Amino acid sequence: DSGVTQTPKHLITATGQRVTLRCSPRSGDLSVYWYQQSLDQGLQFLIQYYNGEERAKGNILERFSAQQFPDLHSELNLSSLELGDSALYFCASSGPGPSPQYFGPGTRLTVT
Amino acid sequence: GENVEQHPSTLSVQEGDSAVIKCTYSDSASNYFPWYKQELGKRPQLIIDIRSNVGEKKDQRIAVTLNKTAKHFSLHITETQPEDSAVYFCAAGSYDKVIFGPGTSLSVIP
Repeated sequence: DSGVTQTPKHLITATGQRVTLRCSPRSGDLSVYWYQQSLDQGLQFLIQYYNGEERAKGNILERFSAQQFPDLHSELNLSSLELGDSALYFCASSGPGPSPQYFGPGTRLTVT
Repeated sequence: GENVEQHPSTLSVQEGDSAVIKCTYSDSASNYFPWYKQELGKRPQLIIDIRSNVGEKKDQRIAVTLNKTAKHFSLHITETQPEDSAVYFCAAGSYDKVIFGPGTSLSVIP
C-alpha cells in the first residue's frame, strides 16, 4: 500500500457525461500528479499540483480540469466524455524536489 | 520539448538470464532518475532510483547506471525470475517535472 488513495475504483458512464475522480496523497506530500494510461499504453502525464497551485501541465485536454484543495486532496474533472477517454487514471504524490512518486491504485473509467 | 526514450519496447529472456533496459533523456536539468515496475492491472511501483551525483546503484538483483555526459541510464536485472515479468518505466526528473519513458514489457520465460 503506497498511502495514496483514489476513489472510485471503477466508473462506467456514457458519452457526453462528466465525472470527478478523487485522490488523497500520502501524509505530508504536497505534490500531486495525474496520469492517464490507456490499454497497453504508457503513462501520459496530465497535470501536477504543488500545495494547491498548478505546477506543470502535460497533455491534458481542455475538457479536463483539476484542482488541489487546502487539505491537499485533488480532484480530476473530465467532461464531455468520449469513448477514447476510457482509461486507467492514476494519481501519484511525492515529497519536495525531485523525489519518488507513490501511485494510487487508479480509477478505471469506462465510457460507453 | 523534453522527452525520454526507452529501449527495447519489449524484451523476452529465459529465467536466470540478465535483462537490460536503456533510457536516454534530453533535459540537461534532469538530476533524478527513478525506475518503476508495473505488474498487470496494478499501480506502478518504484523499484530503484539514482541521483545525478552517483554513477551506479545496486539493490540485490537490480542495478542502475547513469552516464550524465551521454544522458543515458540503464536498468540491469540479473538472475531474472518469472515474477520479474512486468512493464518497466524509466523517468527523468528535475525540480519541477518528471518525464516518463514509454515503457518496456519484460517477459521472463520459465
